[in-house]
Amino acid sequence: DAGVTQSPTHLIKTRGQQVTLRCSPKSGHDTVSWYQQALGQGPQFIFQYYEEEERQRGNFPDRFSGHQFPNYSSELNVNALLLGDSALYLCASSRPPVASRREVFGPGTRLTVT
Amino acid sequence: AQTVTQSQPEMSVQEAETVTLSCTYDTSESDYYLFWYKQPPSRQMILVIRQEAYKQQNATENRFSVNFQKAAKSFSLKISDSQLGDAAMYFCAYRSGTSYDKVIFGPGTSLSVIP
Repeated sequence: DAGVTQSPTHLIKTRGQQVTLRCSPKSGHDTVSWYQQALGQGPQFIFQYYEEEERQRGNFPDRFSGHQFPNYSSELNVNALLLGDSALYLCASSRPPVASRREVFGPGTRLTVT
Repeated sequence: AQTVTQSQPEMSVQEAETVTLSCTYDTSESDYYLFWYKQPPSRQMILVIRQEAYKQQNATENRFSVNFQKAAKSFSLKISDSQLGDAAMYFCAYRSGTSYDKVIFGPGTSLSVIP
């Protein structure tokens, strides 16, 4: 049973560009959350998707947007990239979106903005 | 707003010995969950142990146990019989008891295991 998968593993972008990161949740999971982890820090919550809708959002600008597809996979889009967007982006899935849920994390996508 | 603090940026332990990682949190809520996550160099965030705030009994998972002091808002992790594979970043985390709430992570403690 595959866990949470993310693609790509690494990518390098230039300031001002746009990037799309992808996440496939663990089989049977329908809720996806995205986190940004800057080097040497703990992850910061970006947003959560359930039933193709954004349910919760952290303190991130509108340059960060997302989408969830009918098969529960998700995308994270970042526009107008800044150097400060360089980080590890983690996706976590769970089922269902109740307080007792156990989130499973993917291996992350390392984004470098130059 | 809830916050999670880990006051030990780095810790080390001799193999087979016991180590305790500290965590404190701030919240005005009574219903919440606390977690310890392990992140090895492979970057995969792995759940080590979790504690429901309404449970007085401290959670245990094999060599890992917690000391949950709700009144003091303290949640420490004890690793017994430390193994080389325990070397990693350890994050303390908090989640409110509401359905959709996010996980709030502390800054992490880097644990080294000395052979």
